[in-house]
Amino acid sequence: EAGVVQSPRYKIIEKKQPVAFWCNPISGHNTLYWYLQNLGQGPELLIRYENEEAVDDSQLPKDRFSAERLKGVDSTLKIQPAELGDSAVYLCASSLAGTSGNEQFFGPGTRLTVL
Amino acid sequence: DAKTTQPTSMDCAEGRAANLPCNHSTISGNEYVYWYRQIHSQGPQYIIHGLKNNETNEMASLIITEDRKSSTLILPHATLRDTAVYYCIVVPGNTGKLIFGQGTTLQVKP
Repeated sequence: EAGVVQSPRYKIIEKKQPVAFWCNPISGHNTLYWYLQNLGQGPELLIRYENEEAVDDSQLPKDRFSAERLKGVDSTLKIQPAELGDSAVYLCASSLAGTSGNEQFFGPGTRLTVL
Repeated sequence: DAKTTQPTSMDCAEGRAANLPCNHSTISGNEYVYWYRQIHSQGPQYIIHGLKNNETNEMASLIITEDRKSSTLILPHATLRDTAVYYCIVVPGNTGKLIFGQGTTLQVKP
């Protein structure tokens, strides 16, 4: 069974440029999460989707971050414009419909470097 | 949400049991204890969870004290591949709200 797929794995951009990350969750998983992980820290939730609906985006910095999950499967997280402090790993996770959501399956992440 | 306290780092000899402690003294009755680990350059991986009783699966065992204020994750025969950061997370009910701390960095040594 394929796991959570993320691309790209690495991205280097200059500050003020836009950047987008893509996530394909495990087939059948209706809940999708985006996390931010700074160096030496644990992941922090940015947004959670139930199908197409963002049910928790309270931690998403909406002035520069946006996310979408148009067909309830793949998702894209965007930053525009990127700042130096956005350098981090962006993780996508999914969980199975009908479960607690506490058992989440994570992708390998996208490591963003903003110069 | 209940907070957890874990040692920053631990070492374990390959082939020996690794016992990773976690304190969660403010845990509420409906809060579960979850353990995840994160191997370098990978995303976190679910290991095990429990509410009151001890639990065992193919990866590990989870021992929760009777008062539920602390728990121990046991890797019975640690291998070099078990070197990772281990996160103990207290989750309120079935919410899907995982709040990761800094975890314990376990180094398994040959």
